[in-house]
Amino acid sequence: DAKTTQPNSMESNEEEPVHLPCNHSTISGTDYIHWYRQLPSQGPEYVIHGLTSNVNNRMASLAIAEDRKSSTLILHRATLRDAAVYYCILRANAGGTSYGKLTFGQGTILTVHP
Amino acid sequence: GAGVSQSPSNKVTEKGKDVELRCDPISGHTALYWYRQSLGQGLEFLIYFQGNSAPDKSGLPSDRFSAERTGGSVSTLTIQRTQQEDSAVYLCASSAGRAGAFDTQYFGPGTRLTVL
Repeated sequence: DAKTTQPNSMESNEEEPVHLPCNHSTISGTDYIHWYRQLPSQGPEYVIHGLTSNVNNRMASLAIAEDRKSSTLILHRATLRDAAVYYCILRANAGGTSYGKLTFGQGTILTVHP
Repeated sequence: GAGVSQSPSNKVTEKGKDVELRCDPISGHTALYWYRQSLGQGLEFLIYFQGNSAPDKSGLPSDRFSAERTGGSVSTLTIQRTQQEDSAVYLCASSAGRAGAFDTQYFGPGTRLTVL
């Protein structure tokens, strides 16, 4: 799987927007960009995924650069419950043998201040 | 509905003993994964099941580690002759098993294994 690079940590204040960047300069044309997060003492949970277009769901938005070499997870209004480790993961499309497992990097530790 | 469950939640064992960790996936999910998370290594993949077969065992760190899945449901991860470096949180995930990148994985709460 192609590699991703994320900042080790970021901080935010409650109710402010948070932009979590991810670089994936070696992304292939069929790789999807997935984001998972891991709250303290819990297993990871799916947040969002996308291919080329920006995506929105109830948890977050995903902005993908036009060249797909980077993406940004956007939390529109951070809450204390959003404090977690956020992982940016590339997954091969159907037909790729790597689609099964998730390859986690170090992720970004997000701290949210009240 | 019920999520992925794992048991026990905590396990303390002595070096050299065998341990079994259990995972109950979401009903109907054909794919099941084991990962482990330790301070030094982050979150790493161990093994992947599709149904009862394991097409990807590439993450198992040694032959002391094995896993099986029966009836396309419950899975057991067995660690023989445990070592202190096996101490970690062992996470199980399941997914619907659809090919491709849309196959969201749902994780259990993990089993914290401590080897004394």
